[in-house]
Amino acid sequence: GAVVSQHPSRVICKSGTSVKIECRSLDFQATTMFWYRQFPKQSLMLMATSNEGSKATYEQGVEKDKFLINHASLTLSTLTVTSAHPEDSSFYICSAPSGLNYGYTFGSGTRLTVV
Amino acid sequence: DAKTTQPPSMDCAEGRAANLPCNHSTISGNEYVYWYRQIHSQGPQYIIHGLKNNETNEMASLIITEDRKSSTLILPHATLRDTAVYYCIVRGAKTSYDKVIFGPGTSLSVIP
Repeated sequence: GAVVSQHPSRVICKSGTSVKIECRSLDFQATTMFWYRQFPKQSLMLMATSNEGSKATYEQGVEKDKFLINHASLTLSTLTVTSAHPEDSSFYICSAPSGLNYGYTFGSGTRLTVV
Repeated sequence: DAKTTQPPSMDCAEGRAANLPCNHSTISGNEYVYWYRQIHSQGPQYIIHGLKNNETNEMASLIITEDRKSSTLILPHATLRDTAVYYCIVRGAKTSYDKVIFGPGTSLSVIP
């Protein structure tokens, strides 16, 4: 079946540093990737949609300069949290459309903790 | 806004069937109903999907009403490992690249 590999699974960084999260589609091409953020006991909140070869589309209220998204190839999309602060601590999940059989395939998530 | 509504939480006794409802009253003719579940600190996992016929796989059954405005996910013999948040979403066959807004889902607790 369709698999999306997300790394790292957890990361702790110091305030002010940047963190990159990668999502790779392993056995299918993902021209589109969705990035979500999830706070404890809340649902997934869509942050942005990345498209291979073009600029990402950000949801209202999401700072594009803080959450840099790059979709460099048909199998790789990255989210970079720049100048991270403690309030950016969250669970980040990527997802790609993967055909009718699965709808969307999700990465395993990245737990970001900013100290 | 999410196109679906679900009860926020449900309990189910271990070994019994868990029936999770979902309302999607604005679903259009070419939109499928998909169910996913999210176990704590993991990415959502696909369970089942359907268009208008009832569906069954090794994980669950999906019952879609004739008017397609609601559906029910059935876990026939719930186990403790089925404790998770269950999400119901709708998407079109040809609009898979449209963004998906998740509702709060249903938090299912399977009780020993």
